[in-house]
Amino acid sequence: EIVLTQSPATLSLSPGERATLSCWASQSVATSLAWYQQKPGQAPSLLIYDASNRATGIPARFSGSGSGTDFTLTISSLEPEDFAVYYCQQRSNWPLTFGGGTKVEIK
Amino acid sequence: EVQLLESGGGLVQPGGSLRLSCAASVLNFNYYGMSWVRQAPGKGLEWVSSVSGGGGSTYYADSVKGRFTISRDNSKNTLYLEMSSLRADDTAVYYCTKGRFSTGRGAFEVWGQGTMVTVSS
Repeated sequence: EIVLTQSPATLSLSPGERATLSCWASQSVATSLAWYQQKPGQAPSLLIYDASNRATGIPARFSGSGSGTDFTLTISSLEPEDFAVYYCQQRSNWPLTFGGGTKVEIK
Repeated sequence: EVQLLESGGGLVQPGGSLRLSCAASVLNFNYYGMSWVRQAPGKGLEWVSSVSGGGGSTYYADSVKGRFTISRDNSKNTLYLEMSSLRADDTAVYYCTKGRFSTGRGAFEVWGQGTMVTVSS
């Protein structure tokens, strides 16, 4: 099983600041990695697929990068609606696995 | 607009059974892999099971293998999860998700609102 480790667990930032979230895989997943956003009381939603492709309707301030075992989700300038929990997920191997999540909170 | 609507959740005793359904308003439903993902209260996301677009290939997390069965009825645009021998650690919100590809291994592109399953005596 591929283990995904997300860091940090919590990121405290102010609106307008840049957020950098990391996801490390225990073995290479090539670019088969996705990022999701989950707001309190809501279902998750897809932000990024295949490491760097924004899903439909996702603003350009969200970007993904990386390949192999090291991945990054960057939010260039935080908007109030971006404070949420973010999960990475690999689809390279069965079983599909998620990281433990990073909570982006208002400082 | 693609929509997924889960139903069938509820309170069940340990060892009991439950069937979840997911009605999908998806064009060409039979093309897309579908999956179930769950989230225990206050915890992260856990993939449960996936099925290919045609229904011929199914995949399960070790934690549910042998107890849960995923299936789909493409004539009804509906996904199912048959759960048996339920345990307390199966308590979670269960989300129905649509994949980007037919294999079931694509990213989870669309999510339903979730249905709560509580296993307790």
